[in-house]
Amino acid sequence: KAGVTQTPRYLIKTRGQQVTLSCSPISGHRSVSWYQQTPGQGLQFLFEYFSETQRNKGNFPGRFSGRQFSNSRSEMNVSTLELGDSALYLCASSLAGEEFFGPGTRLTVL
Amino acid sequence: GIQVEQSPPDLILQEGANSTLRCNFSDSVNNLQWFHQNPWGQLINLFYIPSGTKQNGRLSATTVATERYSLLYISSSQTTDSGVYFCAVDGGDYKLSFGAGTTVTVRA
Repeated sequence: KAGVTQTPRYLIKTRGQQVTLSCSPISGHRSVSWYQQTPGQGLQFLFEYFSETQRNKGNFPGRFSGRQFSNSRSEMNVSTLELGDSALYLCASSLAGEEFFGPGTRLTVL
Repeated sequence: GIQVEQSPPDLILQEGANSTLRCNFSDSVNNLQWFHQNPWGQLINLFYIPSGTKQNGRLSATTVATERYSLLYISSSQTTDSGVYFCAVDGGDYKLSFGAGTTVTVRA
């Protein structure tokens, strides 16, 4: 069974731009979560979706948003990028509580 | 939210040595997972262990949920065991709270 896939793997943007990251979960998994990893803050939860509904949201500004489609694929969007948004963004899908992570998207904001 | 503390923050081992990593958490949890982050950033699942003991090759883990801690044991360490190990818990609100990680360096 294929693992969690994320696209793109690397991204360079400039301040003020917006970005959309994509995540395809493991087949049959209906829950998708997003996390941000930075050297200073570690791994932080962004949001979680199940059957197209957001069930929980982390403590991030409204510039961070997400959605889930009927096929369980998910996207997250960051608008008006700031230098501090440079991070590794990880997506995870889960079944029965155990989460499996994708390879991540490394975003650099210049 | 649930606080997760991992110790030690850094661990340097000689190849062949054994080690124990610890994870303390501040509240009851539904799930607990251990991950190894590879050099490219991907989190690799090691154990899904909300309670009890599991073993997988040279790695084993024990979670004592009533005392709010989990231990990850690495036996006969190899250089490929190097990397950052994370403990993460789910308190029942559909999210994982991560510890700061333990950076393990295994020297040949």
